[in-house]
Amino acid sequence: EPEVTQTPSHQVTQMGQEVILRCVPISNHLYFYWYRQILGQKVEFLVSFYNNEISEKSEIFDDQFSVERPDGSNFTLKIRSTKLEDSAMYFCASEPGQGYNEQFFGPGTRLTVL
Amino acid sequence: AQSVTQPDIHITVSEGASLELRCNYSYGATPYLFWYVQSPGQGLQLLLKYFSGDTLVQGIKGFEAEFKRSQSSFNLRKPSVHWSDAAEYFCAVRHYNTDKLIFGTGTRLQVFP
Repeated sequence: EPEVTQTPSHQVTQMGQEVILRCVPISNHLYFYWYRQILGQKVEFLVSFYNNEISEKSEIFDDQFSVERPDGSNFTLKIRSTKLEDSAMYFCASEPGQGYNEQFFGPGTRLTVL
Repeated sequence: AQSVTQPDIHITVSEGASLELRCNYSYGATPYLFWYVQSPGQGLQLLLKYFSGDTLVQGIKGFEAEFKRSQSSFNLRKPSVHWSDAAEYFCAVRHYNTDKLIFGTGTRLQVFP
């Protein structure tokens, strides 16, 4: 069964460094998402992406964040200058198309900022 | 503001016992409603969803949920819990004209033999 994959499973970085989290959505899906979950808190929406542009973003998704679908298969989340409070589990999700209404989630990348 | 409340942070049940996990939402209109499960080291897996129609929906792994508009609730149930059901359960809502899922804080289910 097709699934969303994410790499790496765990990333440790120093404060101020740039990180790129990678996701491979399910083939033929058209909508892509990033969510994050800070330890002990709820899963929060960051951004959605469709047709090579951001469709919706939350107030968390500021100028430090960017997303890209560089090659038609990968979907990346870049954090330009990491802060301690960016430490969280980051989930990628994909969805087949409008109206389908089921987001398929990857296993997550745990980001630790020291 | 839209919100989802899962009042139970942690629930412990014996294997074979029945289960009900509570979820209440605050929304301007009836949203789309979802239950996800997260096992350790795994992503979020959809158990079931409600859009409209029959208020009792069946999902995978023997779970069901009932939508009650008057109570703004969407509680998850299972008649007989198995040890493999131990996991974290998340209720989520989505409005028809937005992309994002809004999640509750989750309920951690522990199952004793």
